[in-house]
Amino acid sequence: KAGVTQTPRYLIKTRGQQVTLSCSPISGHRSVSWYQQTPGQGLQFLFEYFSETQRNKGNFPGRFSGRQFSNSRSEMNVSTLELGDSALYLCASSSSSGMNTEAFFGQGTRLTVV
Amino acid sequence: EDQVTQSPEALRLQEGESSSLNCSYTVSGLRGLFWYRQDPGKGPEFLFTLYSAGEEKEKERLKATLTKKESFLHITAPKPEDSATYLCAVRYGQNFVFGPGTRLSVLP
Repeated sequence: KAGVTQTPRYLIKTRGQQVTLSCSPISGHRSVSWYQQTPGQGLQFLFEYFSETQRNKGNFPGRFSGRQFSNSRSEMNVSTLELGDSALYLCASSSSSGMNTEAFFGQGTRLTVV
Repeated sequence: EDQVTQSPEALRLQEGESSSLNCSYTVSGLRGLFWYRQDPGKGPEFLFTLYSAGEEKEKERLKATLTKKESFLHITAPKPEDSATYLCAVRYGQNFVFGPGTRLSVLP
């Protein structure tokens, strides 16, 4: 079966702009979670959506937001981009909420803010 | 302060040389400890979830164990294809925190 698909794979944005990243989970999976990975901070949890509802949220500013659609696809939005937002953004899907089940990660979107 | 640490930061092994990776945590109300493997340029690959002290899980050359303060990922007779960064993550309350990872290199 198809894996988790993230688009775009690479993105370059200017400080102050906003960006939207997309994640299509594995068919049948209803949970999508988002992560930021940087060399300095490692992998950090952003938020999790399950059946269109945000279930858990990490410790990130309100500039980071997300949503999930009825087909389980999810988008993550970052407004007023800062240089420090440059990172690999990963999403993972699983069949149930709570991240206690096996989660499958996508390849990620590499965001560079200049 | 709630914290997840991993040691060593990097580990170089000869093929067949068994070893263990450590994940230590200081959190309250553990709801699950997760191990992932990440290859360069790819997203993490799920390996194991452990829920309570004393629990053990195995998969091929890997075995994960859990105590009240730490988890070990034992690698038996590793092969070069086991080279990767191994990440642990802890779920407690509404939080989900990853450790910094251990970079494992297995030389032929």
